[in-house]
Amino acid sequence: DVKVTQSSRYLVKRTGEKVFLECVQDMDHENMFWYRQDPGLGLRLIYFSYDVKMKEKGDIPEGYSVSREKKERFSLILESASTNQTSMYLCASSSPAPVMLFFGEGSRLTVL
Amino acid sequence: RKEVEQDPGPFNVPEGATVAFNCTYSNSASQSFFWYRQDCRKEPKLLMSVYSSGNEDGRFTAQLNRASQYISLLIRDSKLSDSATYLCVVNKKDTDKLIFGTGTRLQVFP
Repeated sequence: DVKVTQSSRYLVKRTGEKVFLECVQDMDHENMFWYRQDPGLGLRLIYFSYDVKMKEKGDIPEGYSVSREKKERFSLILESASTNQTSMYLCASSSPAPVMLFFGEGSRLTVL
Repeated sequence: RKEVEQDPGPFNVPEGATVAFNCTYSNSASQSFFWYRQDCRKEPKLLMSVYSSGNEDGRFTAQLNRASQYISLLIRDSKLSDSATYLCVVNKKDTDKLIFGTGTRLQVFP
């Protein structure tokens, strides 16, 4: 079974803090993704990566950056957290075509 | 117009009922289609892919109508454990990006 592990299930941070969310997958998948999920808005793609050191912006990249130094690890960084970044963050991985996503359990971030 | 639209529900049905959800998509170039299931406070999990000819997996049947640009999910003999949110997912042509609907909530009661 594919295993996608996110480092923290619940985080509480203050406005302006730097936040790291880490994600590790064990299936040697090329593709990795970061989404956020908000009530009424569904899942929205923040960033994705096709390969090591490669990244592409999704639909809502503002306020976020990512890092992929190793194939199995994809990190999401909030340089200066803001209250509107309070959300559920979901990491996913997939093999290429057809793209079927396997998600981690999610990280629920609250920014005060 | 949203790229993928679903009725948010909730659909409240008794055990044993048959229930169907539709999902419409706006991009005619879309190539791949999926249904995901998400339990409360859990991550989404792939339920089934949707093939052009339609496909069935036990009590679940998925259909694709390219002409009208919608996909459907039919659940027969509903179980209490089917209570969840069902997400419609569409993949754009020549890209690995998936577009998610906001989900349809199903509640099965005894």
